[in-house]
Amino acid sequence: GESVGLHLPTLSVQEGDNSIINCAYSNSASDYFIWYKQESGKGPQFIIDIRSNMDKRQGQRVTVLLNKTVKHLSLQIAATQPGDSAVYFCAEFGNQFYFGTGTSLTVIP
Amino acid sequence: DGGITQSPKYLFRKEGQNVTLSCEQNLNHDAMYWYRQDPGQGLRLIYYSQIVNDFQKGDIAEGYSVSREKKESFPLTVTSAQKNPTAFYLCASSMLGGRDGYTFGSGTRLTVV
Repeated sequence: GESVGLHLPTLSVQEGDNSIINCAYSNSASDYFIWYKQESGKGPQFIIDIRSNMDKRQGQRVTVLLNKTVKHLSLQIAATQPGDSAVYFCAEFGNQFYFGTGTSLTVIP
Repeated sequence: DGGITQSPKYLFRKEGQNVTLSCEQNLNHDAMYWYRQDPGQGLRLIYYSQIVNDFQKGDIAEGYSVSREKKESFPLTVTSAQKNPTAFYLCASSMLGGRDGYTFGSGTRLTVV
């Protein structure tokens, strides 16, 4: 099956700093990517998506960067807040979605 | 508000019992999915359905069964044949094909006692 991996399983940042969460994907044919946020005991929530014809997309305090050359996806969170503490995982879509294992983000007040 | 509802939030199963997890959506989505989530692992697909009265096995279907009698509902039964059922179960739905992303429910945590 597909392999969607994250470079770091955990990330701790100071409140107010920027966070960067990385994701490597394996299928060069994947053309749609989503970042999800999952708080403890809850279902994943959509954060932001990007299609393969773009290399950057911005939302409110979040930016997703796509580097198709090296099959790498990143999520940048600006001015990280305590409410951002959660597990973040990426998903790639080729003929179905494949989900990464996630990075646990902890925001230190 | 449109959404996807899973119930119960917590479920306890005795050895040898079958239990059924409920998933209902009012998003008018054609496709529905069941995933299992274990600590440190990505979501693993159990079953999915793209149309009423039709469903397909995912990567880890053994010990599970589903039905899709209504577009809005996709219940998952964890049978006694599933040897390690303790996990967090997530239901999702999407437009046909799934290319616009999935909407997830809030999950059911199943524990064997």
